[in-house]
Amino acid sequence: EDQVTQSPEALRLQEGESSSLNCSYTVSGLRGLFWYRQDPGKGPEFLFTLYSAGEEKEKERLKATLTKKESFLHITAPKPEDSATYLCAVQAGTGGFKTIFGAGTRLFVKA
Amino acid sequence: DAGVTQSPTHLIKTRGQHVTLRCSPISGHKSVSWYQQVLGQGPQFIFQYYEKEERGRGNFPDRFSARQFPNYSSELNVNALLLGDSALYLCASSFTGGGATEAFFGQGTRLTVV
Repeated sequence: EDQVTQSPEALRLQEGESSSLNCSYTVSGLRGLFWYRQDPGKGPEFLFTLYSAGEEKEKERLKATLTKKESFLHITAPKPEDSATYLCAVQAGTGGFKTIFGAGTRLFVKA
Repeated sequence: DAGVTQSPTHLIKTRGQHVTLRCSPISGHKSVSWYQQVLGQGPQFIFQYYEKEERGRGNFPDRFSARQFPNYSSELNVNALLLGDSALYLCASSFTGGGATEAFFGQGTRLTVV
């Protein structure tokens, strides 16, 4: 069964304390892996798409990487405004188009 | 440019009733997907439509149905509402229906079933 697991469920950091979020997946026919940011009461905001193992993407303090089994979202020197839920999703190509989300990691950054 | 718009933003319905949620995609986007998000969980895929045809379906009962119109807007219908249908319903649009293209989400419709 296709599955996406994110860890940790919640992460509390001090401002400037770098860390990484993990997204492990088991799907058949991976078409792509996505990272989104979601603020309370709002829809997810697109961050990155990764297509193949070894690929990396960067945006400001965020860097996403992909292997054959997992993806990492690295947060360098986070600020309080980075506090949000970070969602990982994979699009699988078997049995029609389906996008599977993980449960997310809730990030809290304290000043 | 307008992003993905959903209506209504909030809705309260009684068990057994029917509900219709609406979504207008970003201009130029031809694919619309629907998701259900329960508090504390990630979005669960319900449907994807591209060029008015269903391209993907998640594990939801037949009470859930959707359609896409010639202008690419979409409706999600839920019949015989249950308390467990209470959730945030998200619509996402993307340029194509194939390949792994990023999707852009609306603000969602908060449905409460009492």
